[in-house]
Amino acid sequence: ILNVEQSPQSLHVQEGDSTNFTCSFPSSNFYALHWYRWETAKSPEALFVMTLNGDEKKKGRISATLNTKEGYSYLYIKGSQPEDSATYLCAPQETSGSRLTFGEGTQLTVNP
Amino acid sequence: EPEVTQTPSHQVTQMGQEVILRCVPISNHLYFYWYRQILGQKVEFLVSFYNNEISEKSEIFDDQFSVERPDGSNFTLKIRSTKLEDSAMYFCASRIGASNGYTFGSGTRLTVV
Repeated sequence: ILNVEQSPQSLHVQEGDSTNFTCSFPSSNFYALHWYRWETAKSPEALFVMTLNGDEKKKGRISATLNTKEGYSYLYIKGSQPEDSATYLCAPQETSGSRLTFGEGTQLTVNP
Repeated sequence: EPEVTQTPSHQVTQMGQEVILRCVPISNHLYFYWYRQILGQKVEFLVSFYNNEISEKSEIFDDQFSVERPDGSNFTLKIRSTKLEDSAMYFCASRIGASNGYTFGSGTRLTVV
């Protein structure tokens, strides 16, 4: 079973603040790293799939970076808005077609 | 936008009873999954299904669990004899390719009493 760590566990920020959180995963047997956003009472929604070391992906105010050699990924949110409040999950994938193993997530609350 | 649909949204069952959780994945997706989340815990992998057979399963997915894709559209998870510890939110997911992100269904909350 992969050991996937996300930090912090929870985060409260003010509207307009920029924030970031971390996902750590084993650097061996790496194929891809997935990020999901999970709003309360909804289902997880795919944000990014990252495969290459040094990769950076962006979607609006949200971006992510990947370091496969040391086994971590950062998710950044620029100018947080209340609608960004959600749990952000990361999930590494070891081989093509294999399962995703989810971390516990970072619960972000953005106060207006 | 295409969706993965799950039914029922809630199910309460007596311990020892069989339950069937139903999912309709997105029609052109090829990979299908069941995950669950016990309250307060991580989202856990149960099983993956590709090319009409199980491709991977976890330690949780013992003989009490089975999956089927009987008609090319529905994807079902059966628990033969439910236990209290099977109480969880069960999510179905599908994806078009081996490296794409999942599309999750809205989940079935199973409560075993």
